[in-house]
Amino acid sequence: AQSVTQLDSQVPVFEEAPVELRCNYSSSVSVYLFWYVQYPNQGLQLLLKYLSGSTLVKGINGFEAEFNKSQTSFHLRKPSVHISDTAEYFCAVKNAGGTSYGKLTFGQGTILTVHP
Amino acid sequence: DAGVIQSPRHEVTEMGQEVTLRCKPISGHDYLFWYRQTMMRGLELLIYFNNNVPIDDSGMPEDRFSAKMPNASFSTLKIQPSEPRDSAVYFCASSYQDRENQPQHFGDGTRLSIL
Repeated sequence: AQSVTQLDSQVPVFEEAPVELRCNYSSSVSVYLFWYVQYPNQGLQLLLKYLSGSTLVKGINGFEAEFNKSQTSFHLRKPSVHISDTAEYFCAVKNAGGTSYGKLTFGQGTILTVHP
Repeated sequence: DAGVIQSPRHEVTEMGQEVTLRCKPISGHDYLFWYRQTMMRGLELLIYFNNNVPIDDSGMPEDRFSAKMPNASFSTLKIQPSEPRDSAVYFCASSYQDRENQPQHFGDGTRLSIL
């Protein structure tokens, strides 16, 4: 079974400050990793994904994430946040193949609030 | 391009009533997923379909919940009878061939309140 732990339920930051949203996962098999963003009253949108290769992946809106296999982490970062980045962020994991092909397991979410 | 379309956006009804949530996936997508989001339990996968066939319904909470996909462009999630604990936001998502490089595209959700 897989699990995803987002270590912070809420992260308040000031505009133009850097931010890191933390995600750890647990799985007995190889996985693919994703970050999704949810703006108020909307569905989830894909920010970025790690499938293989370079452990540093870049996504939309200036976000990036680094896959660390030894620490089973996939932390999301942005060097300078904007007010418009205020949203809830979800880390998710999927088996790389196998019988649960397609099934995403989500973390509990981190609410990022950017203050002026 | 039209995204995943869910209806209604909001539903308020009394307990015991039947509730039907609807989803139109993106044209050409062959995977469809139903999720439920609550404060307590976060985002949970209820069921997903491939080519209109249910593949995994292990997340469906109980027999009061049922889902169908009669064709490639339409799916329903039905709750009968509804209970206050079913109050949540229900999302539908679709993807193409569910290949790893194809993300799931989410609808804007149905906010369901059972009184």
